[in-house]
Amino acid sequence: DAGITQSPRYKITETGRQVTLMCHQTWSHSYMFWYRQDLGHGLRLIYYSAAADITDKGEVPDGYVVSRSKTENFPLTLESATRSQTSVYFCASRYDRGNTEAFFGQGTRLTVV
Amino acid sequence: AQSVTQLGSHVSVSEGALVLLRCNYSSSVPPYLFWYVQYPNQGLQLLLKYTSAATLVKGINGFEAEFKKSETSFHLTKPSAHMSDAAEYFCAVSGTQGGSEKLVFGKGTKLTVNP
Repeated sequence: DAGITQSPRYKITETGRQVTLMCHQTWSHSYMFWYRQDLGHGLRLIYYSAAADITDKGEVPDGYVVSRSKTENFPLTLESATRSQTSVYFCASRYDRGNTEAFFGQGTRLTVV
Repeated sequence: AQSVTQLGSHVSVSEGALVLLRCNYSSSVPPYLFWYVQYPNQGLQLLLKYTSAATLVKGINGFEAEFKKSETSFHLTKPSAHMSDAAEYFCAVSGTQGGSEKLVFGKGTKLTVNP
């Protein structure tokens, strides 16, 4: 099915563990984004990518690593999870910059215990 | 850097009343502006976007927004609220010059519609 999918939808992990959140889109969109959503903060940009092998930091990149070896995939890795990284994570993609619409995945609810 | 400020984290209206959600942007050059809606436990979906072709933009579900350069605002309105409008609404900005790759969101406004 065409679209953007995130996996897993729910994840519980322990402090200090590495965890990877997956994002896959089928449109061959150039741009992909990772956001975290927290009460009182709205959506904050973690990392974004303009194309395969091109990534850049957003507002809150510390503690996260991204890669984009293929256009359709944009995994987000928490190298050593902390409780402050408990959040809902959204992946998004869009065809181009500027005024093009972004399409969002359903989100991954991550709990770090 | 572009940013948006949404005034009011919670707005409550009665069914049938006017909905007004406020968004102000910070940019020396008019940016591209968007309104997204998020229903519970879902991702975000686009309501409407400003692209400089017209200052009054119509979106889905009866929503519209007016771009006012003099006020640096892009407020979202709907003449008559429906129960199904209860959701969280996000204003977002994407630059027209440097930084146009980014899509930056406000903190959101949660809309409650009372019967």
